[in-house]
Amino acid sequence: DIQMTQSPSSLSASVGDRVTITCRASQSISSYLNWYQQKPGKAPKLLIYAASSLQSGVPSRFSGSGSGTDFTLTISSLQPEDFATYYCQQSYSTPVFTFGPGTKVDIK
Amino acid sequence: EVQLVESGGGLVQPGGSLRLSCAASGFTFSSYEMNWVRQAPGKGLEWVSYISSSGSTIYYADSVKGRFTISRDNAKNSLYLQMNSLRAEDTAVYYCARCWGLLRYYFDYWGQGTLVTVSS
Repeated sequence: DIQMTQSPSSLSASVGDRVTITCRASQSISSYLNWYQQKPGKAPKLLIYAASSLQSGVPSRFSGSGSGTDFTLTISSLQPEDFATYYCQQSYSTPVFTFGPGTKVDIK
Repeated sequence: EVQLVESGGGLVQPGGSLRLSCAASGFTFSSYEMNWVRQAPGKGLEWVSYISSSGSTIYYADSVKGRFTISRDNAKNSLYLQMNSLRAEDTAVYYCARCWGLLRYYFDYWGQGTLVTVSS
């Protein structure tokens, strides 16, 4: 089974900060990596698919990069509405999917 | 507008059963693969089960294999999750999610979730 890890597990940042979250797969998954944002009490929302493709309607301050085993989600200038938990997901072993443990971004 | 609406959650005793439903609208349901994903209180997301557009291909997470059954009725635009032999660790919000992507799949639409609580 493919295992996913994320770092950090949580971070504190200020509005306007550049934020980077890392996701690592236990084996190469090419670019079969997605990112989701989840706010408390809400369903997850797709941000990035196929490692670097921005989902329609998602602000351009969000970007993704990486391939193989190491991936990054970057928020170029953190906005108040971006405080949330972020999850990566591998789809290399479709239709068996694995999520990372999540990274919580809160206000410094 | 794509909508996924889950129902059927509630309080059930350990060893009991529950059937979740997900009503889909705003898209051609029969053309899409679907999934169930759950989230225990205060925890992360866990993929539970997948079903192909026709219902002919099904997969489960090891944690629910042999106890849960996913199914769909394309005529009714509905997805189901039959949950038997429920355990305390099955307590979670259960989401249905639409699967899309030509080669690299992702979950582009999610329902609002339905809470299942397994407790005596």
